Amino acid sequence: AQRVTQPEKLLSVFKGAPVELKCNYSYSGSPELFWYVQYSRQRLQLLLRHISRESIKGFTADLNKGETSFHLKKPFAQEEDSAMYYCALSGPGANSKLTFGKGITLSVRP
Amino acid sequence: DAGVIQSPRHEVTEMGQEVTLRCKPISGHNSLFWYRQTMMRGLELLIYFNNNVPIDDSGMPEDRFSAKMPNASFSTLKIQPSEPRDSAVYFCASGAEAAVSTDTQYFGPGTRLTVL
Repeated sequence: AQRVTQPEKLLSVFKGAPVELKCNYSYSGSPELFWYVQYSRQRLQLLLRHISRESIKGFTADLNKGETSFHLKKPFAQEEDSAMYYCALSGPGANSKLTFGKGITLSVRP
Repeated sequence: DAGVIQSPRHEVTEMGQEVTLRCKPISGHNSLFWYRQTMMRGLELLIYFNNNVPIDDSGMPEDRFSAKMPNASFSTLKIQPSEPRDSAVYFCASGAEAAVSTDTQYFGPGTRLTVL
């Protein structure tokens, strides 16, 4: 069974502080990992995926297979980063469904 | 493209009534997903379709829930009869799955359902 755990529900930081949103997963195989973001009054949308190995809006996430983690990081938080963030996992191949964590609310204070 | 379209955006109904949520996926996408979002459980996958065929409905909570996709451009999620615990935001998402990987899912704006 595939499972995604986001241990914290809320993270509140000041502008300019580093951010790390934790995500751990359980999957027997080679998963694909994603981070989705939902800004206030906007749709849930893809932020980044591990296979792209890219930085989006200053965010990065590295897949650590040994620790089964995919933490989302940003060195200097901005107020506009305030949103709900979901970590998600999928198995490889077509017809693979996404399993989401419960999400974490990031609040960046001025 | 307007993206994934869901209707209604808000629905308030009384316990016992039938509720039908509608979704129009992005044209050309061949996968469609229904999710439920609550504070307690986060985002849960209810059911998903590939090429209009239900692939996995293991997330559907009980027989009161049913989903159909009669064609590539339309899907419904029905709750009959509705109960207060069904109150949640229901999202529809579509994707264009590649042969070997899960592609990005594009989410609709959601339907906020309140069952009194």
